[in-house]
Amino acid sequence: NAGVTQTPKFQVLKTGQSMTLQCAQDMNHNSMYWYRQDPGMGLRLIYYSASEGTTDKGEVPNGYNVSRLNKREFSLRLESAAPSQTSVYFCAVLAGAYYEQYFGPGTRLTVT
Amino acid sequence: QQPVQSPQAVILREGEDAVINCSSSKALYSVHWYRQKHGEAPVFLMILLKGGEQKGHDKISASFNEKKQQSSLYLTASQLSYSGTYFCGTENKYSGGGADGLTFGKGTHLIIQP
Repeated sequence: NAGVTQTPKFQVLKTGQSMTLQCAQDMNHNSMYWYRQDPGMGLRLIYYSASEGTTDKGEVPNGYNVSRLNKREFSLRLESAAPSQTSVYFCAVLAGAYYEQYFGPGTRLTVT
Repeated sequence: QQPVQSPQAVILREGEDAVINCSSSKALYSVHWYRQKHGEAPVFLMILLKGGEQKGHDKISASFNEKKQQSSLYLTASQLSYSGTYFCGTENKYSGGGADGLTFGKGTHLIIQP
């Protein structure tokens, strides 16, 4: 039982390149989230999805798109990467009796 | 708007107590506390719901003052394993325990020395 998985773990992009970060859960829960974490800034919500087929913007959505392919998978796409998008990206799932969010291991992205 | 956490960092000796505060300028429906070790994902500690419900975790407990829009995390008789960065996450409008996502503070770095 892996919980929340993210791929890739590390990625280096050049400015202007595109890529998709993948997130998958085996917890059979509806709500999924994408956060970014920058030094000294905490976690900031990029997008979230309350259920399959629905997505909503969070605090910092500019420069990103998301896709909720099915209940298991929620992907984050950078169409034209910028150095300001260098960050650690975490996917999370809302689960459990106390509304806890379970986080994936993260993707460390560097844009040069 | 991010909640404000204080202090930004604290260094303790093993066995000492610590308090971490989280303050919001907006009304709060729930406050969630997470701990993150270096290079790892955040891990859920507890949730405090509007109405005063508190949920503890070992020697870590928390309180929620709705009127003051504040929450505090209490670490009693700290252990080496408590080291890490603590984040509060707030729910500013009702969405059922943070279903619309949380707004996190910038974190408090806690270092426990032997």
